[in-house]
Amino acid sequence: EAGVAQSPRYKIIEKRQSVAFWCNPISGHATLYWYQQILGQGPKLLIQFQNNGVVDDSQLPKDRFSAERLKGVDSTLKIQPAKLEDSAVYLCASRRSGGASQYFGPGTRLTVL
Amino acid sequence: EDKVVQSPLSLVVHEGDTVTLNCSYEVTNFRSLLWYKQEKKAPTFLFMLTSSGIEKKSGRLSSILDKKELFSILNITATQTGDSAVYLCAVGPNAGGTSYGKLTFGQGTILTVHP
Repeated sequence: EAGVAQSPRYKIIEKRQSVAFWCNPISGHATLYWYQQILGQGPKLLIQFQNNGVVDDSQLPKDRFSAERLKGVDSTLKIQPAKLEDSAVYLCASRRSGGASQYFGPGTRLTVL
Repeated sequence: EDKVVQSPLSLVVHEGDTVTLNCSYEVTNFRSLLWYKQEKKAPTFLFMLTSSGIEKKSGRLSSILDKKELFSILNITATQTGDSAVYLCAVGPNAGGTSYGKLTFGQGTILTVHP
């Protein structure tokens, strides 16, 4: 079974630029999560999708972050414009219906200069 | 607000030592507690605990949950250099409702095992 795929693996941008991350969850997993992990901290949930609907985006900074999962499979997370404090690893995870365990992708390390 | 606290924040041991990592939590509608191991990038799943007092075991790793005192421990015996990683504890809410499956993570314990 293929795992969660993410791209790119690394991204360096300057502040005020835009960036987008892509995630392909495990086949058949209805729930998809985006997390932000700042160095030295645990992952923090940004947004949770159930199929193509948003379940929880209470911690997503909506003035600059957006995410979509139009067909209920792949998802993109966008930051526009980026700030220095957005430097972090962005992790995507997926979960099958009824399961408690989430499976994580390799993450994208974003550096904002 | 849900809260998960892990201790110690970091730990340095030598191969062969036994370590105990701690996780305490304050959450509404507790359902499960999960342990993950994070090397380099993606956390990988270790254990899920839902019932008090029942030990989960996998090789040299074991974990137990105390729902009365709101904590869990992760034990690693006969540590190896390959055990060096960040160990994350996360708790999930009760089943039902739209928050099902949402995890709140602790800050992690950095374990370093020297040869």
